Amino acid sequence: KNQVEQSPQSLIILEGKNCTLQCNYTVSPFSNLRWYKQDTGRGPVSLTIMTFSENTKSNGRYTATLDADTKQSSLHITASQLSDSASYICVVSARSGGSYIPTFGRGTSLIVHP
Amino acid sequence: EPEVTQTPSHQVTQMGQEVILRCVPISNHLYFYWYRQILGQKVEFLVSFYNNEISEKSEIFDDQFSVERPDGSNFTLKIRSTKLEDSAMYFCASSKDRVEEQYFGPGTRLTVT
Repeated sequence: KNQVEQSPQSLIILEGKNCTLQCNYTVSPFSNLRWYKQDTGRGPVSLTIMTFSENTKSNGRYTATLDADTKQSSLHITASQLSDSASYICVVSARSGGSYIPTFGRGTSLIVHP
Repeated sequence: EPEVTQTPSHQVTQMGQEVILRCVPISNHLYFYWYRQILGQKVEFLVSFYNNEISEKSEIFDDQFSVERPDGSNFTLKIRSTKLEDSAMYFCASSKDRVEEQYFGPGTRLTVT
């Protein structure tokens, strides 16, 4: 069964500090991995998308890495801001024939304190 | 900046009633999706739609659910006979291509009583 596990479940950091969120998956056959930011009560917003051949991708202060061999990804946030407080969701899509089925992780809840 | 819109923002319905949730995807997008998120739980994929037909659907998307693109702008999700467990936030999303960035709408909170 395809699964996506994220850690930690929650994280509290001080404004200005860096942090790294982890995602492990058992999705097969792998198509792509996405990181989303979801503010409470809002729809997810895409941060990065990576395919099998990509091992790092940046979007401003967000940098995602992918190790397709160990089936792990991380999201690094640099110089955190109060507005970074949100849930960060890892989504891995499997490709079956012409179909792409996404599996969502439960998310890491990040709180940034002043 | 173009965005996905959803109506209504909150829908309350009685068990057994039919509901239709509406979405207007971004105009030049070709792929459309519905997801749901039960309160406190993870987002779950329901269905994807391309070229006027379903391209993928999950186990959740049973015969009680249907999707339609009735005109050139709207994309709807119909739940035929709602159950208490259908209470959730329903998100619509769209993308230009299936491996490109998906843009999510603000969601419709469905409450079944």
